[in-house]
Amino acid sequence: GAGVSQSPRYKVAKRGQDVALRCDPISGHVSLFWYQQALGQGPEFLTYFQNEAQLDKSGLPSDRFFAERPEGSVSTLKIQRTQQEDSAVYLCASSRDRATEQYFGPGTRLTVT
Amino acid sequence: KNEVEQSPQNLTAQEGEFITINCSYSVGISALHWLQQHPGGGIVSLFMLSSGKKKHGRLIATINIQEKHSSLHITASHPRDSAVYICALPPPNTGNQFYFGTGTSLTVIP
Repeated sequence: GAGVSQSPRYKVAKRGQDVALRCDPISGHVSLFWYQQALGQGPEFLTYFQNEAQLDKSGLPSDRFFAERPEGSVSTLKIQRTQQEDSAVYLCASSRDRATEQYFGPGTRLTVT
Repeated sequence: KNEVEQSPQNLTAQEGEFITINCSYSVGISALHWLQQHPGGGIVSLFMLSSGKKKHGRLIATINIQEKHSSLHITASHPRDSAVYICALPPPNTGNQFYFGTGTSLTVIP
């Protein structure tokens, strides 16, 4: 079966624009994670879903960041009023459950100009 | 956040050399992941291990849960092994998130 997919792969936004990043997890995976990876850094946790429930959003850096997974499969990470410091690769990962191996998507590289 | 420490940060090796990357952590865990990330690429899980040793091709991972230490070894290194290798601690011992090491950037020269 297909792995985790993300779209778009690359996004350039002007400062102040809103963006939406999509993640299609592996079918049947209950857990879904979003991470932010700045250039030259390791991934940083943003948020975690179990099915449609967002159980942990402690890593979201500000209230401009919003994530949803309304039907427990596809997830969208939305960033409002983008700032230059939001430029990063946004990674999505899914797993059968929280404690099992995570499968990562290719990431969306966001550049805010 | 320094729950996971990796060394070295950067590593350059000649093709064919034996490579070791080390990971030390401070949180009690039941398993640990080694991940690989190629430049501009996504993250691939290499190993998830909870004890002893695992081997996959030229890659070997070991872990000592009591000493809170893990190593990733690459035998007969090849330029295609050039990537960032990341040690990561998974849930649930870490809450809901992975704790990632800062990564080791490996360059293998032909």
